[in-house]
Amino acid sequence: AQTVTQSQPEMSVQEAETVTLSCTYDTSENNYYLFWYKQPPSRQMILVIRQEAYKQQNATENRFSVNFQKAAKSFSLKISDSQLGDTAMYFCAFINSGAGSYQLTFGKGTKLSVIP
Amino acid sequence: DTEVTQTPKHLVMGMTNKKSLKCEQHMGHRAMYWYKQKAKKPPELMFVYSYEKLSINESVPSRFSPECPNSSLLNLHLHALQPEDSALYLCASSQDIRGRGYGYTFGSGTRLTVV
Repeated sequence: AQTVTQSQPEMSVQEAETVTLSCTYDTSENNYYLFWYKQPPSRQMILVIRQEAYKQQNATENRFSVNFQKAAKSFSLKISDSQLGDTAMYFCAFINSGAGSYQLTFGKGTKLSVIP
Repeated sequence: DTEVTQTPKHLVMGMTNKKSLKCEQHMGHRAMYWYKQKAKKPPELMFVYSYEKLSINESVPSRFSPECPNSSLLNLHLHALQPEDSALYLCASSQDIRGRGYGYTFGSGTRLTVV
């Protein structure tokens, strides 16, 4: 079974600063996908960034980037130039690429507060 | 259109009521999902529909009954719910089961309160 661990239940960052959210996962599979989702108070789960396990290059999306360490099974999210709108719950998630794998496994989340 | 629309946004129902949650997407996705999310917890998978057919039922009680009338619509029929069923119910879609690696698109959910 796959597990996703987010060790930081809550974090805060000053506006315009950089913050890193950690995520580790456990799987015996070689091909899979990793995601970071953001859930603001509006409740909608928004896909922030995705990473394919077979790609060594770390994914980036504007101010968001990941540090993907496959051997260490680590997938951290870096948010640069933090903005007030980044305040949200952040979930790390994992899904196998194999046939029959439907379960998107989430970590317990990290509540990020951006302070003005 | 890159949205998943869920209605209603809020629902309060008694334990003897019958109600339905609705989900709609027009992205041409062929896989749709229902998730249940309790407060301060991650979402938990309930059902998976692939090409309008139920693929996964994660041992959800029969008081929850999913329905996929066509590729754009997904309903969740509720009957004789318990107070512990109060939660945020999220609908999601993906290109198809194999396209799930591109990520799911989620709706903003229905906040359900059972009294």
